[in-house]
Amino acid sequence: QVQLVESGGGVVQPGRSLRLSCAASGFTFSAYDMHWVRQAPGKGLEWVALVWSDGTKKYYADSVKGRFTISRDNSKNTLSLQINSVRAEDSAVYYCAREFLTGYYYYFHYWGQGTLVTVSS
Amino acid sequence: QSALTQPRSVSGSPGQSVTISCTGTSSNVGYYDYVSWYQQHPDKAPKLVIYDVSQRPSGVPGRFSGSKSGNTASLTISGLQADDEADYYCCSYAGSYNLIFGGGTKLTVL
Repeated sequence: QVQLVESGGGVVQPGRSLRLSCAASGFTFSAYDMHWVRQAPGKGLEWVALVWSDGTKKYYADSVKGRFTISRDNSKNTLSLQINSVRAEDSAVYYCAREFLTGYYYYFHYWGQGTLVTVSS
Repeated sequence: QSALTQPRSVSGSPGQSVTISCTGTSSNVGYYDYVSWYQQHPDKAPKLVIYDVSQRPSGVPGRFSGSKSGNTASLTISGLQADDEADYYCCSYAGSYNLIFGGGTKLTVL
């Protein structure tokens, strides 16, 4: 069965960097576009970033453009999110999510359990 | 782009029907038929319940249905059950590989 397991969250000081990872299994990882979606404590969902199945194209929400970098290693079935210059408003649960069908990146079908990032001095 | 607009809360009794609205603009909901809905129980990951405005993924009960008129999409849950109590989020494609969520609606089953 499809499994997505995020890691790398924790407490980080403002201005520092953090790298989140998502280990995928149960499907052909290299065939699917992947997303990061975040949810601040007690708040709604926010799409963060999208990477194509082959890693060649990457897209970001305006709120994170320039500070976040999404990447993937298809040889290791791993998705990553590099967060630089973290801000208080980056505090959230970060979910990795798989697109619904290959090439159908409009929807988030499978989700991980999320990893919590807390920005605090 | 601003978040899509959803009511903060709705409620209904078991067996009844409820409808949750999701209002966007002519640049997202009104332009694209790539509207989806997600159900999220407390401390759980969201679950896709509607895609392409009105399609249900395999395993989602027929009690869940979706529609769209102009800039507003809607999710209707009929035959309410206790387990339907959750937060619901709409999401729309907004062009240029951007996706935008609604603020979420808390459904209470009375």
